[in-house]
Order: sequence, then C-alpha cells, then structure tokens
Amino acid sequence: KAGVTQTPRYLIKTRGQQVTLSCSPISGHRSVSWYQQTPGQGLQFLFEYFSETQRNKGNFPGRFSGRQFSNSRSEMNVSTLELGDSALYLCASRGVEREGTEAFFGQGTRLTVV
Amino acid sequence: LAKTTQPISMDSYEGQEVNITCSHNNIATNDYITWYQQFPSQGPRFIIQGYKTKVTNEVASLFIPADRKSSTLSLPRVSLSDTAVYYCLVGDRGTGGFKTIFGAGTRLFVKA
Repeated sequence: KAGVTQTPRYLIKTRGQQVTLSCSPISGHRSVSWYQQTPGQGLQFLFEYFSETQRNKGNFPGRFSGRQFSNSRSEMNVSTLELGDSALYLCASRGVEREGTEAFFGQGTRLTVV
Repeated sequence: LAKTTQPISMDSYEGQEVNITCSHNNIATNDYITWYQQFPSQGPRFIIQGYKTKVTNEVASLFIPADRKSSTLSLPRVSLSDTAVYYCLVGDRGTGGFKTIFGAGTRLFVKA
C-alpha cells in the first residue's frame, strides 16, 4: 500500500507570490490534516479535511487555505507569501474515525521564501 | 485537548534503556495517549498508543499509571538510529474531527 505522498518535495518562492502544495493520502483514507513545522514554533496544526469539508482549523491567518477533492487528495494554498512562511509543510491521513487513530505522515514539502 | 509536558532533551548511550515521561494532568476520560517519533526533515511516525496500564509492541513499551495523569515511553536498548524527537500526544479529536496538537517533544540523542 502506497504511503502518503506530498509534492513537490522542495520549493523556492519569492515574497508576495502564492504557492500550492499537494497531498495524496493513503488509499481509502478520507481524513487529511496539514501541519507547518518551523524551528521556532515546532509542529503546528493548520487544518483538517474530511469528505471535501474542512472540519477543524488551527490558528493561522486567512492566507492559508486548503481544499479536498472527491478522491481525498488535498491541496493547501498560501497566498502573499512572507519570509516567515518558510517551513516544512506536512500532511497526514487517517483511515479510522476514532480517538487516537494513527496518523500517517508524508515526507513533507520544504518551502523556502526568499 | 489536554496539554502535555515532556523534557526538552535527553542523552543516552547505545544499549541503554531510555524512559521518557510525559505529564498530562488534564487528560479527559476518552483521551488516548499516543507517541510519535520524528527524524530530521521527515514526517512523524507512530510508535505506540495506550489508554491505561501497559502496552508493548516490537519497538517500545508504554506505561500508564491508574490516574492517567502521566505516561512513560520506554525504549529498550537504544541505538544511534533512535536519535530523534519524540512527541507525546493526548486527545486528538476536535469538533467532529481530528485536531492533533503537538507539543515541543523530547529530543533524544544517543551516543556511541
């Protein structure tokens, strides 16, 4: 069974631009969550999608958005990039709807904003 | 979502047993305790999960006392490749879905 796939692995963007990151969950998994990881703030929850609907959201500005398609693939978009958006962006998928279900993470997308 | 407290870092030597304790005083009745491991520039990986007493799998053991206000991850005979950050998570359900909040984690450094 293929794992969680994130593309691209690395990305360099300029301040003010926008970026779209993609996440393909494990086949059959319908919950997809996104996280931002930086050395200063650690792993921070961005949002979670299930059946094309955002169910939970972290404390990030509206420049961070996401969506999920009918095949459960998800994308996140960051508009008007700032230097502080440089981070490792991780997505995770889950296959079971219960407390404590194991989250399967992708390798992440390393975004550098210059 | 219960807040967790773990040591920021720990050092160990190859072959030793490592115990990492996590405090979660506000754990709710339905909360599970889950531990993840993360290597640099990779996504976290599930290690073990428990609700009460002791759980053991092929890589670790998890000890949970009766009051469930803390838990201890035990890694037997660590090797250099166990150098990583270990996260303790308690309760990951948000409103009708998942909302996993990671703490700072414990950075384990295994020396030869």
